[in-house]
This record gives sequence, structure tokens and C-alpha cells, in this order.
Amino acid sequence: GQQVQQSPASLVLQEGENAELQCNFSSTATQLQWFYQSPGGSLVSLLSNPSGTKHTGRLTSTTVTKERRSSLHISSSQTTDSGTYLCAIDRGSNYNVLYFGSGTKLTVEP
Amino acid sequence: AQTIHQWPVAEIKAVGSPLSLGCTIKGKSSPNLYWYWQATGGTLQQLFYSITVGQVESVVQLNLSASRPKDDQFILSTEKLLLSHSGFYLCAWSPTDSAETLYFGSGTRLTVL
Repeated sequence: GQQVQQSPASLVLQEGENAELQCNFSSTATQLQWFYQSPGGSLVSLLSNPSGTKHTGRLTSTTVTKERRSSLHISSSQTTDSGTYLCAIDRGSNYNVLYFGSGTKLTVEP
Repeated sequence: AQTIHQWPVAEIKAVGSPLSLGCTIKGKSSPNLYWYWQATGGTLQQLFYSITVGQVESVVQLNLSASRPKDDQFILSTEKLLLSHSGFYLCAWSPTDSAETLYFGSGTRLTVL
């Protein structure tokens, strides 16, 4: 089965609205990372948050490890936030191997 | 500042032909190196990783191989391409002993016909 499940699969917002993205995973994880994939395919690391709450800019991630879930909150969305957000975990045994979810495609309209 | 250069940007190749994709990292000694692949519309999968020169670990078997001939270079190759090899290939690096932050190349889009 899929190690990492993300929801929703897609999300359309008006500029200025907030986004809440979910990531659920089926195995233990010592690493949990959020990435942004641009429409052209390039990938950028956003946050590493294996547990607790972490903020960077307009992004807030909350991970509840024992419940095997993480969320990414994007506040005051901008059109440039459009793209796909990926969640990835290790499986607790090798931090050099990541397993990715299928992503949430975010579209922010002006 | 560290830079990562991935080549080529795009390739169109015939089934059965060989392939070589490359990645060079400048400005960082002994990085951990990674190859990922994403079929069109598919989920990103890790293929290989390397923590030191000459040592490569396979994560997913896709009839591909990888090598690290130099500290700053990571090569992905196969002698015979399959249609299923089409997709988007990404190289990345992270600081030694930590994969908390990954830095990605711009990717190679491969079409196998």
C-alpha cells in the first residue's frame, strides 16, 4: 500500500485565502519533509518537521508523530504559491531514503 | 555558495539505446547525493543514494544503474532504455550526515520512443 497519502489531491483558492494540506503516513518516521514542486517540475525543500510545530514565513507545519499525520498551512496565499506540494517520510530505518506522497496540487487564482 | 548542475535538460531517445544523465555539485565537499524519478503524472520515487565516492545504494530497481566517480559527480545510466524509463529525473544533494534539507537540480526530462 501507499506509504504516504496526501489530501486533498487538488485545491483551488482565491489569492489571500489560507490553505491546509494534509499528509498521513502508514509507518514510523524519523523524518518528515514538505517540498514544493513548480509547474515546470523543479523541487524545493520547504520544511523538515518530524514532530511538533514549525514555522517559516507564511508556512506552518504541524506533525503529530504518534498519529502519523502532518499538516502544512499556507497563510495569505499568493498566485506564486501555485504548484504541487509533496510530503515525504523516511521509514525510521534509513534517513537517506525518502518515500513521497502523490502531492496536493494548489492553484491560487488572482 | 553551493551549486548543483544537472545535464542534459531534456533527452529524446529510442528504446534500446543507452542513457547517461549527470549531476555535478560545486562548493560542497562530501555531500550525500540522490537520484529521483517521476513518471508523467506519477509519484516521485527515489532511485539511488550515495554517501561517499565509489559507493552507491539502490532503492528502487528500474533497470538503471548509478555511479559516483568523483566526490562532486553522480551519474545515472543504462545500456538499454525501456519505454517505462520516460519521465523526469532529479538529482539532489544534502549535507553529510543529514538529509533534513535537500537541494535539487533543475531536472532532466526523458522521453523514450
